[in-house]
Amino acid sequence: NAGVTQTPKFQVLKTGQSMTLQCAQDMNHEYMSWYRQDPGMGLRLIHYSVGAGITDQGEVPNGYNVSRSTTEDFPLRLLSAAPSQTSVYFCASSYWGPGTGTSGANVLTFGAGSRLTVL
Amino acid sequence: QKEVEQDPGPLSVPEGAIVSLNCTYSNSAFQYFMWYRQYSRKGPELLMYTYSSGNKEDGRFTAQVDKSSKYISLFIRDSQPSDSATYLCAGSNDYKLSFGAGTTVTVRA
Repeated sequence: NAGVTQTPKFQVLKTGQSMTLQCAQDMNHEYMSWYRQDPGMGLRLIHYSVGAGITDQGEVPNGYNVSRSTTEDFPLRLLSAAPSQTSVYFCASSYWGPGTGTSGANVLTFGAGSRLTVL
Repeated sequence: QKEVEQDPGPLSVPEGAIVSLNCTYSNSAFQYFMWYRQYSRKGPELLMYTYSSGNKEDGRFTAQVDKSSKYISLFIRDSQPSDSATYLCAGSNDYKLSFGAGTTVTVRA
């Protein structure tokens, strides 16, 4: 059981280049999400998906695209990289669905992260 | 303004000490509160979560939530060098978690 797998672990881009960060999970989780982590800012939600074919924007979506064609995969695309996108990116998934009480908690499993530098 | 505020530290304690970590939040709709631990250059992993107010204990870890004051706490008893990590608090009322910036803790042997 691999959990949440992210590739690549490290990437250096030039301003204006595009790339895709890959995320795959083998836990049959419906909910998947992308966060970026910057010093002093904590984890901020970029995009999320509650199932195949359904995606929505999070807190900081500008400059990023996502798609969810399968339950397992949730790639994050940088359309035209900017130095402000230098960050560590985490993919996370969960069984989350609307509920009440303790069953409603969105308990995320995170990947190991992808460290991106944009020059 | 961030929904969850957390003192980034760093916090350094001797082995065996009690570590006390705190967060405040502003969103009164939060029902779920979580603590994640993140080792250097790794992804966050869930330590514990609580629903609404109250305490929850798991081994050496105790999480407390006081919704009246919008205060979240994590206590680590008998701290070990292996507890050295960044601790992230989070609150939510549905799918969206709002994270604090994280507190870096070092436990000295």
